[in-house]
Amino acid sequence: EPEVTQTPSHQVTQMGQEVILRCVPISNHLYFYWYRQILGQKVEFLVSFYNNEISEKSEIFDDQFSVERPDGSNFTLKIRSTKLEDSAMYFCASSLLGLAGLEQFFGPGTRLTVL
Amino acid sequence: KNEVEQSPQNLTAQEGEFITINCSYSVGISALHWLQQHPGGGIVSLFMLSSGKKKHGRLIATINIQEKHSSLHITASHPRDSAVYICAVKETSGSRLTFGEGTQLTVNP
Repeated sequence: EPEVTQTPSHQVTQMGQEVILRCVPISNHLYFYWYRQILGQKVEFLVSFYNNEISEKSEIFDDQFSVERPDGSNFTLKIRSTKLEDSAMYFCASSLLGLAGLEQFFGPGTRLTVL
Repeated sequence: KNEVEQSPQNLTAQEGEFITINCSYSVGISALHWLQQHPGGGIVSLFMLSSGKKKHGRLIATINIQEKHSSLHITASHPRDSAVYICAVKETSGSRLTFGEGTQLTVNP
């Protein structure tokens, strides 16, 4: 069964460093998403992406964050200068379309630890 | 702002018991997801529904759009059902999911 994959599973970085989290969505899906979950808190939406541009972003998704689909398979989240509070589990998801009634499929997550 | 509330926050059951987890939300939605999160952190989609009822094995999900409420039922619960169950809703506009806090379910043998 097709699945969303994410790499790395765990990333440790120093405060101020740039990190890139990678996702490979399900191959025929067109909408891509990033969510994050700070330890002990609920999952929060970061950004959705369609047709090579951001379709929606949350208040969390500030100038430190960017997303890109550099080729036909990868979808990346870049954090330019990491802060301690960026430590969280980051989930990528994809859906066939963004319309109601079409399910989002989640990757296993990348645990980001900022020291 | 859409608020998604789940109850209970924590639930402990004995193997074989019937489990109900509730979710309520405050604005109009186009779809509601029930998700399962295991201790390792990964999220698995269980159901997506916009009306009525869906069943998959021992899991049943119902939604009442007028009352802005959904329930997830687990029949004949088993220790392997132990996980966090999360309700997430997609509003009628936009693409984001808004998540509840989750319900930690522990099923004891």
